[in-house]
Amino acid sequence: KAGVTQTPRYLIKTRGQQVTLSCSPISGHRSVSWYQQTPGQGLQFLFEYFSETQRNKGNFPGRFSGRQFSNSRSEMNVSTLELGDSALYLCASSGGSRGDTQYFGPGTRLTVL
Amino acid sequence: AQSVTQPDIHITVSEGASLELRCNYSYGATPYLFWYVQSPGQGLQLLLKYFSGDTLVQGIKGFEAEFKRSQSSFNLRKPSVHWSDAAEYFCAVGAKAAGNKLTFGGGTRVLVKP
Repeated sequence: KAGVTQTPRYLIKTRGQQVTLSCSPISGHRSVSWYQQTPGQGLQFLFEYFSETQRNKGNFPGRFSGRQFSNSRSEMNVSTLELGDSALYLCASSGGSRGDTQYFGPGTRLTVL
Repeated sequence: AQSVTQPDIHITVSEGASLELRCNYSYGATPYLFWYVQSPGQGLQLLLKYFSGDTLVQGIKGFEAEFKRSQSSFNLRKPSVHWSDAAEYFCAVGAKAAGNKLTFGGGTRVLVKP
């Protein structure tokens, strides 16, 4: 079974721009969660989507948004980029039951200049 | 609110020696507990997980962890470390009430000396 895939792997943007990151979960998985990883704040939960609905949300500003499609693929969007948004963005998929094990993708490294 | 503490930021261990990484959590109910490993530039790989039952959990790559409710701990151990175990290790806690949200510790970076 193929693992979680994320595209692109690397991105460079400038302040004020917006960016869209993509995540394809493991086949059959219906839940996709997003995390931000930075040296200062560590790994922080952004949000979770299940059956095209946001099921859980972390403490991030409204500039961070996401969606999930009927095939469970998910996108995350960050508008009006700030320097502090530079991070590794990790996507994780799971079967969907609450508390299921999450399997992580390789991440998208976003650099904001 | 859930929280996870990994007291050791860095640990250096000689190849062949044993390794123990500490993890303490705070959560009102019985949590789900996980250990993940991350190599440079990579995502997180699951080493093992505890949901319920036997408090000693076996994982991949020869790792094991023990859940101790009385100490709110979930320490990771390996009897004999290999050079390929050099990486960053993260303890995480989840709970049914929190859906699939994981709260991570700050991580412990393991360096392996030849």
